[in-house]
Amino acid sequence: GAVVSQHPSWVICKSGTSVKIECRSLDFQATTMFWYRQFPKQSLMLMATSNEGSKATYEQGVEKDKFLINHASLTLSTLTVTSAHPEDSSFYICSATLGVGYSNQPQHFGDGTRLSIL
Amino acid sequence: QKEVEQNSGPLSVPEGAIASLNCTYSDRGSQSFFWYRQYSGKSPELIMFIYSNGDKEDGRFTAQLNKASQYVSLLIRDSQPSDSATYLCAVKGGGGNKLTFGTGTQLKVEL
Repeated sequence: GAVVSQHPSWVICKSGTSVKIECRSLDFQATTMFWYRQFPKQSLMLMATSNEGSKATYEQGVEKDKFLINHASLTLSTLTVTSAHPEDSSFYICSATLGVGYSNQPQHFGDGTRLSIL
Repeated sequence: QKEVEQNSGPLSVPEGAIASLNCTYSDRGSQSFFWYRQYSGKSPELIMFIYSNGDKEDGRFTAQLNKASQYVSLLIRDSQPSDSATYLCAVKGGGGNKLTFGTGTQLKVEL
């Protein structure tokens, strides 16, 4: 159980392109989803917390107009990197959990999306 | 600032030995503790979680928690080359679902 699917797994695109990444919880309803970014040989950096039906909460230093997050249903959250530039190239990973009220539940991670901007 | 600290390693152990991975955290209000394994180029995979002081065993893995010392560890018995990966310690504070990750310890199990 607790499977999180992330798509696509790899994206290569030109500078200025917007890229959408999907994160789905396959066998549970995820009240809360998280978006992380990881640069080579560094740990995960939380970008934002996404709650179903409400606006995402962004971490300090993360541009909300650059990284658009939509959590329209209990099983789907999307991250759109708008007007992507080479410095946005990174490994983006989503995770999902049952949410507030299940505070001891672990986060389950998707397989990640490797984004390369040329 | 809430911090989670791990020795970056690499920690090298021979095949069949016990690998001991350690983690300290600064927030005394932390309530849940997680160990994730991350292979190079892959996303983190949950290994174990622990909430109460003491030991929790699952197969070859044992998580140990000491809240008084703000210390959590992961023991891997009968280490295998396939255990070679980066192990991330993650801590969740009270009242929220956000995880604070350590920088990870790289484990190398040598033949």
